[in-house]
Amino acid sequence: DGGITQSPKYLFRKEGQNVTLSCEQNLNHDAMYWYRQDPGQGLRLIYYSQIVNDFQKGDIAEGYSVSREKKESFPLTVTSAQKNPTAFYLCASRGYTGGGQPQHFGDGTRLSIL
Amino acid sequence: AQSVSQHNHHVILSEAASLELGCNYSYGGTVNLFWYVQYPGQHLQLLLKYFSGDPLVKGIKGFEAEFIKSKFSFNLRKPSVQWSDTAEYFCALSNTDKLIFGTGTRLQVFP
Repeated sequence: DGGITQSPKYLFRKEGQNVTLSCEQNLNHDAMYWYRQDPGQGLRLIYYSQIVNDFQKGDIAEGYSVSREKKESFPLTVTSAQKNPTAFYLCASRGYTGGGQPQHFGDGTRLSIL
Repeated sequence: AQSVSQHNHHVILSEAASLELGCNYSYGGTVNLFWYVQYPGQHLQLLLKYFSGDPLVKGIKGFEAEFIKSKFSFNLRKPSVQWSDTAEYFCALSNTDKLIFGTGTRLQVFP
C-alpha cells in the first residue's frame, strides 16, 4: 500500500543533542511537509519542499533543519538550538502543489526530552 | 494574512446529538478548504474538501460542511454523532503551496 512512513514512533533527546526524524513516502508525491503539533495550537508548519533539492521555511523553522536529496525522503533534524522540542511531529506529502490537492499524513513521531 | 479560526476548542456530546463545528477563515483569494480528523492514536485523515461549485460538501462517515462565502465560514456538521466520532477535528485552508490549519476542536461523544 502506498503511504507515508515516519520513524521512529517515539524518540528521546538529551540536552544539547541533535536528533533526526525520518519521513519516507512511496506515493510519488512532489511536495512534502513537516508540522509540529502541540495541544491547543493545532499544526504549525516547520519546513516544506515542493521539489527535490529545494525547501522553504515554514512558520516555526528556527531550531530545525531539513534536506530533500531524494523525492521520497524528507528528514527533519531537531537541533540543540530548538529550546522546546517536546512535541508530536507530523510529516505530510501532496501530489502537486495546486491548492486543491489534500495532503496525506504519516503516523507521527513523538519527541521528548530526557 | 491568511488564517483559520476554530472557536470551539472542546465539545462534549451524547450519542445521537447533532454536531456543528465552526470554522472561519481569512483569505483574499480563491479558497480551497478542508476538514481533517485525527482519531486517538491515528494519523490525520481527510474528511471532506471544498474546491468550487456546490457549497454543500459531503464527506465520509456522514459528515458534511457548508461553504458560506459571505461569512468566510466552512462549518462541519453531522446530524447524529456516534461514540466512534470521538476525535480531534481540524479545519484547513490551502493556498498554492501549503495548508494553514486551525487550532483544532476536540470532540468527545459519550454513549
